[in-house]
Order: sequence, then C-alpha cells, then structure tokens
Amino acid sequence: DIQMTQSPSSLSASVGDRVTISCRASQSIRNYLNWYQQKPGKPPTVLIYVASNLESGVPSRFSGSGSGTDFSLTISGLQPEDFATYYCQQGNSAPYTFGQGTKLEIK
Amino acid sequence: QVQLVQSGAEVRKPGASVKVSCKASGYTFTSYYTSWVRQAPGQSLEWVGMINPSGESTTYAQKFQGRVTVTRDTSTTTVSMELSSLRSDDTAVYYCAFYSLSRKSLDYWGQGTLVTVSS
Repeated sequence: DIQMTQSPSSLSASVGDRVTISCRASQSIRNYLNWYQQKPGKPPTVLIYVASNLESGVPSRFSGSGSGTDFSLTISGLQPEDFATYYCQQGNSAPYTFGQGTKLEIK
Repeated sequence: QVQLVQSGAEVRKPGASVKVSCKASGYTFTSYYTSWVRQAPGQSLEWVGMINPSGESTTYAQKFQGRVTVTRDTSTTTVSMELSSLRSDDTAVYYCAFYSLSRKSLDYWGQGTLVTVSS
C-alpha cells in the first residue's frame, strides 16, 4: 500500500495568514493527489483534485501543487471558515490511502 | 444534484455483523464507483473498498479482505457494505462516497453512519 505522510499534524494560524500543508507519498502517484477539508461532525469535501485543480465553488485562496511524491496545499489569506482538518489522499491505485490529517486551528 | 443518503446508526456486539446502506440520487449511474471510507473517533480516514457502477467488480483494502462485502442493487441505486466478525476497533463512522474515474477523487459523500461495537 502507498503510505501518505502529512505535515504538520497541527497548525496554529491567524485570520489573513498564508499557510502551507505538505503531503508525501511513499512512491510516485503521478499527480493523482486530492485534498479534502473536514469540519467536526461532517463528511469531508473535496477542495483540490489531481494535485492542482480547484473544485468548483472552492475559493481561489486554496491552491495545490506537486507531482510524483511531494505535494502541498496552500491557503492564502485564511478566513474564519477555513479552520478545519485537511487530508490528502492518493487516487493513483487502490487502496486509496489518506494522510493522517492536519488540524488547522485559530491562533 | 447528487445526494447520498445512508442508513442510521448501529450498535453491535463483538463477533456480529453489520450492514450499512447508501442510496444515491441525482447522478449519471455509470459515472461513479461507490467507495466506503471509515473514520474511527478522533482518527484519520481509512479507505475500505469500492464497487464498480455495474456491481460486477469489487476492490477491497487488504486489511478488510474476507470480512467486508460491498454490493449494489441497481434497481434501487443502493449500495451496501457488510462488515463481519466485528471488533471494538471497528467502531467508526462509515461513509459512502462516489469515486470519479476521470478525476480520481471522492467527489460526493454520504452523511456517515456511526457503527458502535461494544459488549
């Protein structure tokens, strides 16, 4: 199975900050990397698919980059509604494994 | 608009089985595989398995092989996941989700079903 390693596991930031979350795959997943946001008690929602494609309706302050094994999610200009947990997931081959998550908290 | 509606919370004793259902509406039937993902309390997401649109092919995570069965009723657009030989560490919220072959992403999610395994 492909292991997905996210860093950091938690992050404290202020409204207006720019933050970056990293995700590393244990082997190449080409660009089949997705990012999800999850709020307490809710299912995840997709933010970015195929590494850098912004899901319809997702604000442009979210962006994704990377290929092969190293990927990142950047949020430019944090808004109050962005404080949540973020997960990366590889869509290259089953089982479609997830990272351990990054909890983004308000400073 | 795509909607996935799951069955309600379940409580089971260790060793028992549980079946969770997921009814879909508002989508192109052949567009999506249906996956199951679980999330133990306070933990990350774990992919369990999936079924193709026709219901003829399934893929399961090795961890669950032999214990999980995913089936599809095409007449009712319902997908079900049965997990057997339950243990306490199977306690989790189980989500169904549509996997897009073109985008390689889980595009739509059900609301989740809490399965509690306790003696």
